[in-house]
Amino acid sequence: DIQMTQSPSSLSASVGDRVTITCRASQTISRYLNWYQQKPGKAPELLIYVTSSLQSGVPSRFIGSGSGTDFTLTISSLQPEDFATYYCQQSSRTPLTFGGGTKVEIK
Amino acid sequence: EVQLVESGGGVVQSGGSLRLSCAASGFTFHDYAMHWVRQAPGKGLEWVSLISGNRGSTYYADSVKGRFTISRDNSKNSLYLQMNSLRTEDTALYYCAKDTGSGWDLDYWGQGTLVTVSS
Repeated sequence: DIQMTQSPSSLSASVGDRVTITCRASQTISRYLNWYQQKPGKAPELLIYVTSSLQSGVPSRFIGSGSGTDFTLTISSLQPEDFATYYCQQSSRTPLTFGGGTKVEIK
Repeated sequence: EVQLVESGGGVVQSGGSLRLSCAASGFTFHDYAMHWVRQAPGKGLEWVSLISGNRGSTYYADSVKGRFTISRDNSKNSLYLQMNSLRTEDTALYYCAKDTGSGWDLDYWGQGTLVTVSS
């Protein structure tokens, strides 16, 4: 199975900050990497698919990059509504696997 | 508007069984693979199973293989998860999710149904 490792597990940031979350796969997954946002008490929402494609309705401040085993999600200017937990997920092969999550908190 | 509504959760004793359902609307159900994803209380997301659209090919996480069975009824726009030999570690909120159709990414999720397995 492909293990997905996210870092950091949590971070504190201020509105307007640039935030970067990393996700590393235990083996190459080409560009089959997706990002989700989950707010407390809510279902996850797809933000980015296939590394860098923005899901419809997602603001352009969310930027995905990477390939192979190393990927990043960047929020270019953190907004109040972005405080949430973010998960990466590999869709290269089954079993599909998620990273452990990164909780973005207000500083 | 895409809607996914899960049902069937509840409290069950270890070793017991439960069947979850997911009623789908707002899209052509048989054209899309569907997934179950779970989240234990206070923990991260764990993919459980997927079933393809028309052919019904199925895939499972190692943790549930041999105990859980995913199925679908395209005539009823419904997805199911039969869970047998339940363990306390299966306690979680179970989400039904729709595949985008382009490669095992999940673009719509239900609100989840809670399964609690007691010892």
